[in-house]
Amino acid sequence: QKEVEQNSGPLSVPEGAIASLNCTYSDRGSQSFFWYRQYSGKSPELIMFIYSNGDKEDGRFTAQLNKASQYVSLLIRDSQPSDSATYLCAVERAAGNKLTFGGGTRVLVKP
Amino acid sequence: NAGVTQTPKFQVLKTGQSMTLQCAQDMNHNSMYWYRQDPGMGLRLIYYSASEGTTDKGEVPNGYNVSRLNKREFSLRLESAAPSQTSVYFCASSETSGGREQYFGPGTRLTVT
Repeated sequence: QKEVEQNSGPLSVPEGAIASLNCTYSDRGSQSFFWYRQYSGKSPELIMFIYSNGDKEDGRFTAQLNKASQYVSLLIRDSQPSDSATYLCAVERAAGNKLTFGGGTRVLVKP
Repeated sequence: NAGVTQTPKFQVLKTGQSMTLQCAQDMNHNSMYWYRQDPGMGLRLIYYSASEGTTDKGEVPNGYNVSRLNKREFSLRLESAAPSQTSVYFCASSETSGGREQYFGPGTRLTVT
């Protein structure tokens, strides 16, 4: 089992719809969770982080964390073609100070 | 405020050659990291430096060395390049000596023939 798992996609979403991305992790003691967006040929860009159970909203993005079920999700509302990218989930492991990344979910927003 | 910068952007090496990838940040961050990204493998940590003067191995350190030259600069050296080291290399930094919010440089695309 990978430490951080994501569906590789592609997740195809019509423009204006909600894109829902999921990430599961194996280390029950993980404390901090991050979502990065990566456009093709570019570097990862931090878009959201969440430390506590529940929802955190920032503009069109909402991160949801459920530590009991060991998953974190990202919702993108009113999806735009510019949201087409790969979204990386990263988890800060309890045992140390490093991030472990999932393989990423590719999102395609179609006009 | 440039954030995290990396040089070079592209490099082609022959097997056995050596090179150093340079990384610098101007955000006064304590921690710096080197990752490699390969298709289907995601981002994997090579080495990191929690603070100036310290370095530690990550998930895939074999074949690499690092130097934390000062608070701003963290370099990655390939002593004898191998085709398996063909990858995109990213440097990142964060304020705290923990994973926390990491900010990435633009990357170096390395090909070893």
